[in-house]
Amino acid sequence: DSGVTQTPKHLITATGQRVTLRCSPRSGDLSVYWYQQSLDQGLQFLIHYYNGEERAKGNILERFSAQQFPDLHSELNLSSLELGDSALYFCASSYRTGVAETQYFGPGTRLLVL
Amino acid sequence: DAKTTQPPSMDCAEGRAANLPCNHSTISGNEYVYWYRQIHSQGPQYIIHGLKNNETNEMASLIITEDRKSSTLILPHATLRDTAVYYCIVRDIIQGAQKLVFGQGTRLTINP
Repeated sequence: DSGVTQTPKHLITATGQRVTLRCSPRSGDLSVYWYQQSLDQGLQFLIHYYNGEERAKGNILERFSAQQFPDLHSELNLSSLELGDSALYFCASSYRTGVAETQYFGPGTRLLVL
Repeated sequence: DAKTTQPPSMDCAEGRAANLPCNHSTISGNEYVYWYRQIHSQGPQYIIHGLKNNETNEMASLIITEDRKSSTLILPHATLRDTAVYYCIVRDIIQGAQKLVFGQGTRLTINP
């Protein structure tokens, strides 16, 4: 158990809908990262927040957005869902930001868009 | 883009040492080598990381060559639960430090 929690574990929805994925980082960690894992793209970085502020963006679609709240939990919002958004979504946390800071991953949310 | 090259798959007998190679010939002096593994579709699990010196923890050992162009992850006594995809990642201390760039990894199968 990494100490990072994600809810829900599974999510089934229809095209065009909007969903929110939630991540609670390890106690004391200030950084939250979101990653997407699909069959054809592998594990890809989406976005990084540090202490409530966006720090870096990866290949995140405009239909996707995220935020980190004062209690440091984070939410990833996916809207106008398409079939291709079906994937595993992981969040990871670390104490600070930087190359020597190990990222610890949560168990993921499996999203299925029908 | 991933800066590492790993064999797509490997097999190892249970109880033997599993040695997973990684080539990172373009690594610079500022870059760390990280290893993660992913069991089925679980979240990636941190294993170990290093910069120049060899490292050991309760899970594994990391051997980095003197020129730092390659490394080997060693699982000393592999068990069936070590069957997973293993990712070797290099992280730049200056740029892109905030993200992990995953390649295709090595699918390690531990056989009874």
